[in-house]
Amino acid sequence: AQKITQTQPGMFVQEKEAVTLDCTYDTSDQSYGLFWYKQPSSGEMIFLIYQGSYDEQNATEGRYSLNFQKARKSANLVISASQLGDSAMYFCAMRGGYSGAGSYQLTFGKGTKLSVIP
Amino acid sequence: KAGVTQTPRYLIKTRGQQVTLSCSPISGHRSVSWYQQTPGQGLQFLFEYFSETQRNKGNFPGRFSGRQFSNSRSEMNVSTLELGDSALYLCASSLEGVDYTFGSGTRLTVV
Repeated sequence: AQKITQTQPGMFVQEKEAVTLDCTYDTSDQSYGLFWYKQPSSGEMIFLIYQGSYDEQNATEGRYSLNFQKARKSANLVISASQLGDSAMYFCAMRGGYSGAGSYQLTFGKGTKLSVIP
Repeated sequence: KAGVTQTPRYLIKTRGQQVTLSCSPISGHRSVSWYQQTPGQGLQFLFEYFSETQRNKGNFPGRFSGRQFSNSRSEMNVSTLELGDSALYLCASSLEGVDYTFGSGTRLTVV
C-alpha cells in the first residue's frame, strides 16, 4: 500500500522568502512517481512538479523545486521568492499501486495550507 | 491546449436522488480518473477508465459507478445519495500516467 505523509497542516511565509513544504512517502514499489499540486480556494488541482523514482536530478519548474531524497523517502517542495498568489493548499501525491492492465492511481497526502504574508 | 472540463461546477441534490457528473479530458488523453475530496477523508481514488473500460476501482460502494465514451469523455453516477456523499469530485486525464491534469471539479452538496 502507498502512503503519503504531510506533517505541516499550515504554514506561514513572508512574501519574497523561500518556503519548504514537507512530504514523506512509503511504498514497496521500485518504480513510482511523485507529484506536487496546488489547490486554490476555487478547487482546481494545479500541477506544479513531477519527480520519477529513477530520476537522479531533482526536478525544477520555475520557482518550484523538489528536494528528492530517495533513501529517506522524502520529496519536499521548495518554493522560492513566495508571492501572495502562492497562498493555497498544497498536496503531495504518489503514482503507484499498479493494478494491472497499465493502470495506476494517485495517493494523496492530507495537504499543507500555505499562507503568504505581505 | 484546452484543459479538462468538468460539468456542472456546483450541484445541490436531495438524499435518495441520483446524480451524474461529466468530465471531458484533454484531447488525445484516453485515461480518465475520478477522485472524491472531503474535509474528513481527503482525496480518495474512485475509479479509472481507459478506452471505455474500467481498469481500476477504489474502495467505494456500488452506488458509485462510471463509464467512458468513445470520445474519452467520462461520466460518473452516484445513486441513492447520502449526506456523506457531499464532496468535491475531481477528474484527471492522463496520457501516460505521468501528466495527470485535473479539472476544476464539481462541488456536490446533498441535503
